[in-house]
Amino acid sequence: EPEVTQTPSHQVTQMGQEVILRCVPISNHLYFYWYRQILGQKVEFLVSFYNNEISEKSEIFDDQFSVERPDGSNFTLKIRSTKLEDSAMYFCASSDEGLAEAFFGQGTRLTVV
Amino acid sequence: GQSLEQPSEVTAVEGAIVQINCTYQTSGFYGLSWYQQHDGGAPTFLSYNGLDGLEETGRFSSFLSRSDSYGYLLLQELQMKDSASYFCAVRDIPPSGAGSYQLTFGKGTKLSVIP
Repeated sequence: EPEVTQTPSHQVTQMGQEVILRCVPISNHLYFYWYRQILGQKVEFLVSFYNNEISEKSEIFDDQFSVERPDGSNFTLKIRSTKLEDSAMYFCASSDEGLAEAFFGQGTRLTVV
Repeated sequence: GQSLEQPSEVTAVEGAIVQINCTYQTSGFYGLSWYQQHDGGAPTFLSYNGLDGLEETGRFSSFLSRSDSYGYLLLQELQMKDSASYFCAVRDIPPSGAGSYQLTFGKGTKLSVIP
């Protein structure tokens, strides 16, 4: 069964460092998303991406965040200068149509120290 | 703003039926989805209601009433493996009219199934 894969599963980084979280969406999907979940809290929308551009972003997705689809398979989330409060589980998701259900990857647990 | 309310915890006996309610106040409502999340795992899609009424998928059913801004997830013949958190999530078409939606999640209901 096709699935969304994310790497790494766990990333530890020092405050102020840049991190890149990687995702390989399901191959025929066209819509891509990043969500995050701070430990014990709800899942929060960050950004949606379609046709090589951001469709929508939340207020969480400020200038320190960026997304990119560098090739035909990968979808990345970059955090330029990490802060302690960026520590969370980051989920990538994809869907084949804009209004179809989204399939989530297993997540990357980011720990900023 | 967006807000969704669901109970924080529910406990039920194996083999029983449990209903998890969700009420919402959102703009641009397009539909209500339900996701399951085991500890440390990814949210897994369970069910979606775009129209009023009941949707059934095996042991799981979901209901939506748009006029009441209310939905529920019904789990039947509970199994121990159903112990997880369950999130309702509103599909919201953003004001920009972008062709995709964003999910606004509730805080989740932690279901514990006991023998």
